[in-house]
Amino acid sequence: EAGVAQSPRYKIIEKRQSVAFWCNPISGHATLYWYQQILGQGPKLLIQFQNNGVVDDSQLPKDRFSAERLKGVDSTLKIQPAKLEDSAVYLCASSLGQGRTEAFFGQGTRLTVV
Amino acid sequence: AQSVTQPDIHITVSEGASLELRCNYSYGATPYLFWYVQSPGQGLQLLLKYFSGDTLVQGIKGFEAEFKRSQSSFNLRKPSVHWSDAAEYFCAVGARSNDYKLSFGAGTTVTVRA
Repeated sequence: EAGVAQSPRYKIIEKRQSVAFWCNPISGHATLYWYQQILGQGPKLLIQFQNNGVVDDSQLPKDRFSAERLKGVDSTLKIQPAKLEDSAVYLCASSLGQGRTEAFFGQGTRLTVV
Repeated sequence: AQSVTQPDIHITVSEGASLELRCNYSYGATPYLFWYVQSPGQGLQLLLKYFSGDTLVQGIKGFEAEFKRSQSSFNLRKPSVHWSDAAEYFCAVGARSNDYKLSFGAGTTVTVRA
């Protein structure tokens, strides 16, 4: 079974530039999460989708971050404009979404804003 | 709101020695509890999970964890550590009443010395 795919693996941009990350969850997984992991910290949930609807985006800085889940499958996370403090690893995860199921994580995208 | 505390930032253990990582959670209802491991540059891999039933759960790679409701703890243990166990370990909590959002602790880094 293929895992959660993310791209790119690494990205370096200058502040005020824009960047987009892509995630392809495990086939059949209804729930998709985007997490931000700053160095030395645990992952922080940015947004959670159930199929193509947003369940929770309370921690998403909506003035600069946006996310969508196309047709309830793939998802993109965008930052525009980026700030230095956005440097982090962005992790995508998916789960069956029917309760009592674990989340499976992709390898993440390491973003460096200079 | 649910929260997770991992009191130990860094633990060093000798190869072959036992390991215990602490995790305390705060949540009103019975939570779902998870331990994930993250190797450098990798995503998070699930070690084990607790939903209900037997409070001692077995996971992969020889790890086990015990849920203690009275102490609000879910500590991870391994009887004999291998050099490949050097990684960062995250405890996470979720709940059906919270749409299964996972909240993570800050992590414990484990160093294994020969």
